[in-house]
Amino acid sequence: AQSVSQHNHHVILSEAASLELGCNYSYGGTVNLFWYVQYPGQHLQLLLKYFSGDPLVKGIKGFEAEFIKSKFSFNLRKPSVQWSDTAEYFCAVNQGDSSYKLIFGSGTRLLVRP
Amino acid sequence: GAVVSQHPSRVICKSGTSVKIECRSLDFQATTMFWYRQFPKQSLMLMATSNEGSKATYEQGVEKDKFLINHASLTLSTLTVTSAHPEDSSFYICSARDLGRSIPTEAFFGQGTRLTVV
Repeated sequence: AQSVSQHNHHVILSEAASLELGCNYSYGGTVNLFWYVQYPGQHLQLLLKYFSGDPLVKGIKGFEAEFIKSKFSFNLRKPSVQWSDTAEYFCAVNQGDSSYKLIFGSGTRLLVRP
Repeated sequence: GAVVSQHPSRVICKSGTSVKIECRSLDFQATTMFWYRQFPKQSLMLMATSNEGSKATYEQGVEKDKFLINHASLTLSTLTVTSAHPEDSSFYICSARDLGRSIPTEAFFGQGTRLTVV
């Protein structure tokens, strides 16, 4: 069965530190990849997405992610985090078929200390 | 982006009663909506795919008689938790995609419903 792994469950950083959150998926076919963020008390919001084309995608709030097909990875990065980035981050994968179902990773809780 | 509205945001019910949760796409038509469940400190688990005008497709292990899904129109899907028990207490989230577009889009999520069964 298709699965998504996020290896970092909790990350604590100081402001201005660089961030990289890992995401790996298990599916050999065409995939669409997403990173969602959930701020405390709020609903899920899309950070960025990859469907095709340039494997380095840029999202909102300075986030970017790189799709490496050979590694089945879609890691999220930000060069300099801010306190307001404190949230939970979810990687999600959708098989590039008509099901449109999203399979989520277990999430990473990021705490940025001022 | 498109807006998905979920109601209620919080509900407390007695064990044995039923609770209905609504999910509406406000500015687009959603032929397909998805219902997720999120346990504390865990990820979202897909429960079922709600199809307008037809039966929902449930994921393995999800009781279809307990979690009734109705997709009455292109903008409304409802999830009814029947004969709720404390173990059904969870955060339920719906999402929808605008599949009418010619290019793929991301899923838009409702704000979720916190269900507490006492």
